Amino acid sequence: SSELTQDPAVSVALGQTVRITCQGDSLRSYYASWYQQKPGQAPILVIYGKNNRPSGIPDRFSGSTSGNTASLTITGAQAEDEADYYCKSRDSSAVVFGGGTKLTVL
Amino acid sequence: QVQLVQSGAEVKKPGASVKVSCKASGYTFTTYDINWVRQATGQGLEWMGWMNPNSGYIGYAQKFQGRLTITRNTSISTAYMELSSLRSDDTAVYYCARERRSSGSGWFDPWGQGTQVTVS
Repeated sequence: SSELTQDPAVSVALGQTVRITCQGDSLRSYYASWYQQKPGQAPILVIYGKNNRPSGIPDRFSGSTSGNTASLTITGAQAEDEADYYCKSRDSSAVVFGGGTKLTVL
Repeated sequence: QVQLVQSGAEVKKPGASVKVSCKASGYTFTTYDINWVRQATGQGLEWMGWMNPNSGYIGYAQKFQGRLTITRNTSISTAYMELSSLRSDDTAVYYCARERRSSGSGWFDPWGQGTQVTVS
């Protein structure tokens, strides 16, 4: 089955830009979606499709795809962006999640 | 607003079964698929399976084949996830999530609040 690979941890200085990546063969066929999860809370959708944000998600969040790599970029990271981030895609009839990236805002 | 509300925490003994409910509101329940995802403490998200509430068509992750049953009651806009032959490593928070799709790519929004299942 297809896998999605994420870096386990990434850090960014307050106000700077950070990119979180997700690699997998399925990304050549399907867009990734991205989820933010804070401790003790359910995940929430932050990016879907080519580069779409649900209502209420700040425009500092953006997404892109190149080849087999999807990226979530936070431009001007804020303290409240510190969280775990997961990518998700589809592999034929199954859904697959990346292992998650823990983002620390310094 | 669109929301999914799940049933409360469960404690089960090894070998037992657990059934978690997920009640949808704010949209037409039969329009979008419902997926189930679980997360053990300190671990990542693990997809379990999905259902089309309109047709009743279901799909399960290979790992859960034979132990997982997803059903629905359209009259009360509720989906159910039943996991049998529980083991200690089934201890996790279980989430339901609505899936929307465009050109084959899907996304989960919203998610239920999660249901803690403890097997002990």
